[in-house]
Amino acid sequence: QVQLQESGPGLVQPSETLFLTCSVSGGSIGSDYWSWIRQPPGKGLEWIGFISHSGGTTYNPSLLGRVTISIDTSTNQFSLKLTSVTTADTAVYYCARTELSGPLFYMDVWGRGTTVTVSS
Amino acid sequence: EFVLTQSPATLSLSPGETATLSCRASHVNNYVAWYQQKPGQAPRLLIYDASNRATGIPTRFSGSGSGTDFTLTISSLEPEDFAVYYCHQRNNWPRFGGGTRVEIK
Repeated sequence: QVQLQESGPGLVQPSETLFLTCSVSGGSIGSDYWSWIRQPPGKGLEWIGFISHSGGTTYNPSLLGRVTISIDTSTNQFSLKLTSVTTADTAVYYCARTELSGPLFYMDVWGRGTTVTVSS
Repeated sequence: EFVLTQSPATLSLSPGETATLSCRASHVNNYVAWYQQKPGQAPRLLIYDASNRATGIPTRFSGSGSGTDFTLTISSLEPEDFAVYYCHQRNNWPRFGGGTRVEIK
């Protein structure tokens, strides 16, 4: 069965760039859609964006200009880059496999999440 | 702007009781999903397409509704069901509701 694992630095300096990777095992990344979601401490879920196996992306408008999601089918990984981070970007970041068919959209397999703290 | 509103914010019930959670969308969309999240864990998909149970989800979880009003029902609450529940839809881009916490009374 498909499993996802997030990795990346747990601490990022304000104004710097956050970079996370999601490693997919038990299946091919080349046949689905893949999302990033985050959850600030004590708060709800916020969808960040998704990428298709062919590299097409859609992002949360509130993060446009700062966020980039990329995919590497040779390593079965996809990545999140978030620039100019502030303390408001402190959160647990999740990656998830995404089912997308017209308006039908849901995330059926999630990673365990990785905590990112923005602080000097 | 598209908004998903969940109610109540908190539901206090005893094991064995039935939980009824509501999700109201500001725009018509029949494709809601529901997730369960326990402390320190990632969300888990329960229901997709408003009423389809995800793989491995017990039959005590059921989803219903269409248009703008959706309901997640948990029949005969088990101890492991006390958690936070989120509804989720894609309207231009995906959003989550604010969540309903189901706590032990």
